[in-house]
Amino acid sequence: DAGVIQSPRHEVTEMGQEVTLRCKPISGHNSLFWYRQTMMRGLELLIYFNNNVPIDDSGMPEDRFSAKMPNASFSTLKIQPSEPRDSAVYFCASSLRGGKSSYNEQFFGPGTRLTVL
Amino acid sequence: KNQVEQSPQSLIILEGKNCTLQCNYTVSPFSNLRWYKQDTGRGPVSLTIMTFSENTKSNGRYTATLDADTKQSSLHITASQLSDSASYICVVSVGDSNYQLIWGAGTKLIIKP
Repeated sequence: DAGVIQSPRHEVTEMGQEVTLRCKPISGHNSLFWYRQTMMRGLELLIYFNNNVPIDDSGMPEDRFSAKMPNASFSTLKIQPSEPRDSAVYFCASSLRGGKSSYNEQFFGPGTRLTVL
Repeated sequence: KNQVEQSPQSLIILEGKNCTLQCNYTVSPFSNLRWYKQDTGRGPVSLTIMTFSENTKSNGRYTATLDADTKQSSLHITASQLSDSASYICVVSVGDSNYQLIWGAGTKLIIKP
């Protein structure tokens, strides 16, 4: 398996522009997570999907952030309009809930480094 | 408040030496504790996962311990290699949730030749 795939790997944009980050989870996984990582705050969970349905979006910072999962193999995280404080590394992770392991281990993608100027 | 604290913040050791990283947590209800390795520019990768009843688990040169009474965990790295240079993050899972994870700030480990 190719693992979790994210695109783009790097994104540089200007304040006010729309940014869309993409994620393809591991095939067969039914849970998907979007995280943000900064030096100041570490890793923060933004939103969690289970079977394509958003379960917990309490970590989404504000209305400028939105996430969708139209099918089991694709998710997007959109920021509109972007601000300099959104600069961070955004990770997508997937797991298999209810699988053989009760640990529901999360597998992370390589991340998207976003810089908003 | 659920918290995970790690020490030291950073550590530099010579290649071939051993080291131990610490993690203290106040998470309730506790489900399991995980150690992740994060190489620079990459996503975290799971090293070990331990439940309440497990007090030690190994993954190659990595050995994690868990003391559920004192709410402490450690990650011991034996015979360090240059490729061990990374951040090591302690993560505690809350209750039966499969997604509510409390992340530590990590220990940045640098292995020098």
